[in-house]
Amino acid sequence: GAGVSQSPSNKVTEKGKDVELRCDPISGHTALYWYRQSLGQGLEFLIYFQGNSAPDKSGLPSDRFSAERTGGSVSTLTIQRTQQEDSAVYLCASSRGPGQQETQYFGPGTRLLVL
Amino acid sequence: AQRVTQPEKLLSVFKGAPVELKCNYSYSGSPELFWYVQYSRQRLQLLLRHISRESIKGFTADLNKGETSFHLKKPFAQEEDSAMYYCALRFSGGYNKLIFGAGTRLAVHP
Repeated sequence: GAGVSQSPSNKVTEKGKDVELRCDPISGHTALYWYRQSLGQGLEFLIYFQGNSAPDKSGLPSDRFSAERTGGSVSTLTIQRTQQEDSAVYLCASSRGPGQQETQYFGPGTRLLVL
Repeated sequence: AQRVTQPEKLLSVFKGAPVELKCNYSYSGSPELFWYVQYSRQRLQLLLRHISRESIKGFTADLNKGETSFHLKKPFAQEEDSAMYYCALRFSGGYNKLIFGAGTRLAVHP
């Protein structure tokens, strides 16, 4: 079946502008995660959604970052007033549930460049 | 705080040579450790997890709680193993989020 999809694949924006990144998880997956992959920094956890529970926002780096998940499916990560340090690849992943046996499946990522 | 360290940014070997990608973690409880791999122009994917105690594509990894390590090993590297490898930790109470290391790029030369 279809894997996790993300859009856009690339985004170039000017400093100070807002951007929205979209993630479509695998159908039926209740858990959804956002990570950020900065050059030389590995992957950094941002936010986690599980069903209708309150999201775990502990990884969001500042209040300029927010995310929502509508209808338990599609998620949007919004970065307001973008800064150059926000440039990174933003990865989305989903899993069937939160259980420890559940594998996270990653999307192709959105490469964000803030000029 | 939970942390994963991959000390090598780049590991360069010749085909047929043994490979060991190092991973150390910081966590006082019982961790769950993973290796993820990202081949060129492909998405990140799970390679193996310690609880499965399996060998995938000839790779194995053993969790050593005494040394807090989860090194990835393969006795004979192949060119197609060239990729970025990430070690990741999942800890109890952390829901299902993963803590990743910075990654090691493995380059296998002919």
